[in-house]
Amino acid sequence: GDSVTQMEGPVTLSEEAFLTINCTYTATGYPSLFWYVQYPGEGLQLLLKATKADDKGSNKGFEATYRKETTSFHLEKGSVQVSDSAVYFCAPEEYNFNKFYFGSGTKLNVKP
Amino acid sequence: DVKVTQSSRYLVKRTGEKVFLECVQDMDHENMFWYRQDPGLGLRLIYFSYDVKMKEKGDIPEGYSVSREKKERFSLILESASTNQTSMYLCASSLSSGGRDEQYFGPGTRLTVT
Repeated sequence: GDSVTQMEGPVTLSEEAFLTINCTYTATGYPSLFWYVQYPGEGLQLLLKATKADDKGSNKGFEATYRKETTSFHLEKGSVQVSDSAVYFCAPEEYNFNKFYFGSGTKLNVKP
Repeated sequence: DVKVTQSSRYLVKRTGEKVFLECVQDMDHENMFWYRQDPGLGLRLIYFSYDVKMKEKGDIPEGYSVSREKKERFSLILESASTNQTSMYLCASSLSSGGRDEQYFGPGTRLTVT
């Protein structure tokens, strides 16, 4: 069945550092790929998405590129801020079906 | 803005009690979902619904049931709460079942069963 493997956390960085959170998936067909973010005390919200191979999703300085050949969707940001401290979830969507497979989440702590 | 609300942020129940968690969305979405979130396990799908009175089992439906009598409301029921159901419960909704739509999440209900 479909599944997703996400980099384990917590990840602790200093402000303005470069961030990468790795995500790989196995899927039948060609899923759409999503990153969600959960700030403390809140539900999840969409960060970015990509719906086909080589698409790049971007939002709030974060980027991720749909790599079909490596079945990966790594999240990157060039310069993190304290306000980026949150838990990040990689979530492939079952092909043509609005059902997600969530990774275990990666907690990011950004220190001033 | 889409809003998904959940009836309680925190709930404490005793073992064996029947527990109702309510979720309401205000954007006429077709799909609604219930997840539980546990440390190290991420989100796991309990049940979902693609239409009124329709429901389908997710990955971990045992010990739970759901009800969707109106399009905007999706209830999760713990028939007889147990301590291993202590968790954070998240409700979500999305526009259609054709794929590629983001899910909108409520703030979550932290349930403790003692």
